[in-house]
Amino acid sequence: DSGVTQTPKHLITATGQRVTLRCSPRSGDLSVYWYQQSLDQGLQFLIQYYNGEERAKGNILERFSAQQFPDLHSELNLSSLELGDSALYFCASSSQAGVKNTQYFGPGTRLTVL
Amino acid sequence: AQKITQTQPGMFVQEKEAVTLDCTYDTSDPSYGLFWYKQPSSGEMIFLIYQGSYDQQNATEGRYSLNFQKARKSANLVISASQLGDSAMYFCAMREGRNTGNQFYFGTGTSLTVIP
Repeated sequence: DSGVTQTPKHLITATGQRVTLRCSPRSGDLSVYWYQQSLDQGLQFLIQYYNGEERAKGNILERFSAQQFPDLHSELNLSSLELGDSALYFCASSSQAGVKNTQYFGPGTRLTVL
Repeated sequence: AQKITQTQPGMFVQEKEAVTLDCTYDTSDPSYGLFWYKQPSSGEMIFLIYQGSYDQQNATEGRYSLNFQKARKSANLVISASQLGDSAMYFCAMREGRNTGNQFYFGTGTSLTVIP
């Protein structure tokens, strides 16, 4: 158990819908990262927050948005869902920025768009 | 150019034998970190081992060791005495020091199957 929690574990929804994925980082970790893992794209970095502020953006679609709240939990919002958004979405956390700070991953949310 | 390259899509190893999973990386940043993660069929990503670019010695964590060859830009994972529970996907990742977001660049992974 990494100490990072994600809810829900599974999510099934229809095209055009909007969903929210939630992540609670390890106790004391200030950084939260979101990743998308799909069969054809591999693991893709989406976005990072550090202590409530957006720190870096990766391959995140405009239909997707995220935020980190004062209690450091984070939410990833996916809207106007398409079939291709079906993937495993991971949240990871680390204590701070820096090369050697390991990212610890949550169990992931498996999103299926029908 | 790919930041992380894992050229072995699938590997097989006999139980109790050692296996090496290859990883090469590409960066011009003198400060970087290299990581290996394991992803079993259940889906979670499990951190295994870390190697810093300035570390003089190869990292070791139990049965895992990292064969770090800086000049060749390779960071191969060695698993000794393979166990059936080692069957999983293995991902190599890198973080660069100048990358303000400190995002990870992941390879495409290697699927390891341990044969009894």
